[in-house]
Amino acid sequence: AQTVTQSQPEMSVQEAETVTLSCTYDTSESDYYLFWYKQPPSRQMILVIRQEAYKQQNATENRFSVNFQKAAKSFSLKISDSQLGDAAMYFCAYRSPGGTSYGKLTFGQGTILTVHP
Amino acid sequence: SQTIHQWPATLVQPVGSPLSLECTVEGTSNPNLYWYRQAAGRGLQLLFYSVGIGQISSEVPQNLSASRPQDRQFILSSKKLLLSDSGFYLCAWSGKGLAKNIQYFGAGTRLSVL
Repeated sequence: AQTVTQSQPEMSVQEAETVTLSCTYDTSESDYYLFWYKQPPSRQMILVIRQEAYKQQNATENRFSVNFQKAAKSFSLKISDSQLGDAAMYFCAYRSPGGTSYGKLTFGQGTILTVHP
Repeated sequence: SQTIHQWPATLVQPVGSPLSLECTVEGTSNPNLYWYRQAAGRGLQLLFYSVGIGQISSEVPQNLSASRPQDRQFILSSKKLLLSDSGFYLCAWSGKGLAKNIQYFGAGTRLSVL
């Protein structure tokens, strides 16, 4: 079974600075999908960014980017120019590839990000 | 555009009482539907998923059940709640084929069993 590990229970960053959240995963599959979700105090899960394992290029969405190291099974999230609204719990998630008709997500335990003004 | 609704937002129930949480999706047809539970300060655990009307798969044995009486309606139920059923419940949907790669979540239901 796949497992996702987020080793940083809490992180903090100053507004306008950069922070990196870590995620590692364990899998024997060669093709899969990785996601970062954000859960603000409202607790609704919001998709931040996704990465397909077959793509070598790291995904980028505005101030959010990932460092995907397939061989190391590492998938970190970098937030640049941090804003107060980035404060939330961030979850790394793994999805198995096709062969199944559903898309089960396996989540890490989350990292609480605090942004200081 | 697609939207997902969950209700109620908050629920306080006594031990042994029944439960019914509802989730509906608008703006799409034949979605995959999911129920997750999040214990306090922890990640999400998949409880049930459904690929079509009347088709329910369970990921973990528990005191809960799920049903999909209509294409875009997903219900989480229990006949008798336990204290351990307390938590935050999230419904999610995805498309089919390549679109199943992304799940979109509802606002969640905070359940407290006392």
